[in-house]
Amino acid sequence: GNSVTQMEGPVTLSEEAFLTINCTYTATGYPSLFWYVQYPGEGLQLLLKATKADDKGSNKGFEATYRKETTSFHLEKGSVQVSDSAVYFCALKRGGSEKLVFGKGMKLTVNP
Amino acid sequence: DVKVTQSSRYLVKRTGEKVFLECVQDMDHENMFWYRQDPGLGLRLIYFSYDVKMKEKGDIPEGYSVSREKKERFSLILESASTNQTSMYLCASRDPGQGSGSYNSPLHFGNGTRLTVT
Repeated sequence: GNSVTQMEGPVTLSEEAFLTINCTYTATGYPSLFWYVQYPGEGLQLLLKATKADDKGSNKGFEATYRKETTSFHLEKGSVQVSDSAVYFCALKRGGSEKLVFGKGMKLTVNP
Repeated sequence: DVKVTQSSRYLVKRTGEKVFLECVQDMDHENMFWYRQDPGLGLRLIYFSYDVKMKEKGDIPEGYSVSREKKERFSLILESASTNQTSMYLCASRDPGQGSGSYNSPLHFGNGTRLTVT
């Protein structure tokens, strides 16, 4: 079946540190891949997405590249800020399905 | 901006009660979803609806039902609440639209309802 495996954390970083959150997936066909972010007290919101191999999604200084050969979609940011403290979810959507399959989420805390 | 509103932020109910969780979206989206979020398990899909009066089971529908009488409103019903249904419930909507770009249009989430069943 379709599944997403991501780092679970929690992770604590200092401001301006480099961030990588690993995400790998298992899916039939060619899924679309997403990163969603959940700030404290809020619902999830889309951070970035990539819909085909080698696509790079980017937003708010975050980047992720769709790597079909390694079935990965790792999230990176060069310099995190306190405002990036949130829970990050990797997700996939298979063609022909309305279902979004989420990873377990990773809580990030960034300290000043 | 799309707004998805869940009627309650916190809810405490007793075992055996019938519980209604309400969700309203203001962007005329056709598709609506109910997820539950639990620590260590992430988000799991309970039910979704792609049109008025239409519904599909998600991955964990047992113990739940849904109602969609109007396009903007999607209700989750716990017929007889149990303690293992204590969780954060998230509603979401999406416009499937038309054209290649709309296929991956994002989910828009409400802020969640934290339900405690005692």
